[in-house]
Amino acid sequence: DIQMTQSPSSLSASVGDRVTITCRASQSINTYLNWYQQKPGRAPKLLIYAASTLYSAVPSRFSGSGSGTDFTLTISSLQPEDFATYYCQQSHSTPPTFGQGTKLEIK
Amino acid sequence: DVQLVESGGDLVQPGGSLRLSCASSGFTFSSYAMTWVRQAPGKGLEWVSSINYSGDTTYYAASVKGRFTISRDNSKNTLYLHMNSLRADDTAVYYCTRGGFYSGSYLDYWGRGTLVTVSS
Repeated sequence: DIQMTQSPSSLSASVGDRVTITCRASQSINTYLNWYQQKPGRAPKLLIYAASTLYSAVPSRFSGSGSGTDFTLTISSLQPEDFATYYCQQSHSTPPTFGQGTKLEIK
Repeated sequence: DVQLVESGGDLVQPGGSLRLSCASSGFTFSSYAMTWVRQAPGKGLEWVSSINYSGDTTYYAASVKGRFTISRDNSKNTLYLHMNSLRADDTAVYYCTRGGFYSGSYLDYWGRGTLVTVSS
């Protein structure tokens, strides 16, 4: 199975900050990498697919990049509604696997 | 609007069985692969099982293979997860999601989830 490792596991930041979350795959997954956002008590939501394609209605302050084994999710200017847990997920091969999550908290 | 509504979650004893359902609306159900994802309390997301659009091909996580069966009824726009020989570590919120079967796919719609608790 492909292992997905996110860093950091948690992050404190302030409204307006630029934040970057990293996701590393244990082997090359090309650009078969998706990002999800989950708020407490809610289902996850798709943010970005194919490493860098913004999903419908997702604000442009979110962006993704990377290929091969190293990927990043960047939020250019944090808004209060962005404080949540973020997960990466590879869709290169079965089983599709998720990172352990990065909890983004208010500083 | 696309809607996925799970049901069937319950408290069940170890070794017991349960069937989850996911009623879909707002899209052509028979054209999409579907996936179950679960989340244990306070933990991350875990892929459980996927089924292709027609229902003739399925995949399972190693942790549930041989115990869980995914199926679908395209005439009823409904996805199922039959769970047997339940264990304490199957305790989780189970999400029904659209997509996720093919390489390069993604999970673009999620239900609200249904809670399965395995405990004596």
